[in-house]
Amino acid sequence: GAVVSQHPSWVICKSGTSVKIECRSLDFQATTMFWYRQFPKQSLMLMATSNEGSKATYEQGVEKDKFLINHASLTLSTLTVTSAHPEDSSFYICSAPGGASGNQPQHFGDGTRLSIL
Amino acid sequence: QKEVEQNSGPLSVPEGAIASLNCTYSDRGSQSFFWYRQYSGKSPELIMFIYSNGDKEDGRFTAQLNKASQYVSLLIRDSQPSDSATYLCAGYDKVIFGPGTSLSVIP
Repeated sequence: GAVVSQHPSWVICKSGTSVKIECRSLDFQATTMFWYRQFPKQSLMLMATSNEGSKATYEQGVEKDKFLINHASLTLSTLTVTSAHPEDSSFYICSAPGGASGNQPQHFGDGTRLSIL
Repeated sequence: QKEVEQNSGPLSVPEGAIASLNCTYSDRGSQSFFWYRQYSGKSPELIMFIYSNGDKEDGRFTAQLNKASQYVSLLIRDSQPSDSATYLCAGYDKVIFGPGTSLSVIP
């Protein structure tokens, strides 16, 4: 089945550091990918929709200059958390649609746990 | 604004019982609904999806969709301790997730 690989799985870094998270579709092409953030005991919150070859679409309240998204190829989307601070500590998950049809589920990466000290 | 609502629980059921999880949605245009299970610290994994009115069964799981009432549910029969997790309901559109229902199956 379709596999989405997310890397790294775990990051600890100092405040002010920029962190890049990669999301790859391993055996299929993904023109669209989704980036979510999940705080403890809360649901997944959609941050942005990554579009191959064009600008990402950000959800209301998400700072596009803080969370930089690049989708330069059909198999890779990256999320860069710039100048990360402790409040950015969270579980970040990417996903790709299973197909163009609305009847297909998402394929999720394993997530990245980000801890900012 | 399109929303998906769930009873956040926690829901506790004894082992072997039926667990019933419910979800309502605001967007009448939503065509497909997905149930995911998420263990603590892990990504969601798909359990079932449904896009037609009525019931869809897969093993111990049954999804029910009522588009007129904008209601979708998941029944888990013969609940097992390994079913203890958070269950997320999602509508396709932008894959907007409900808040999730925490299920605990007591041995």
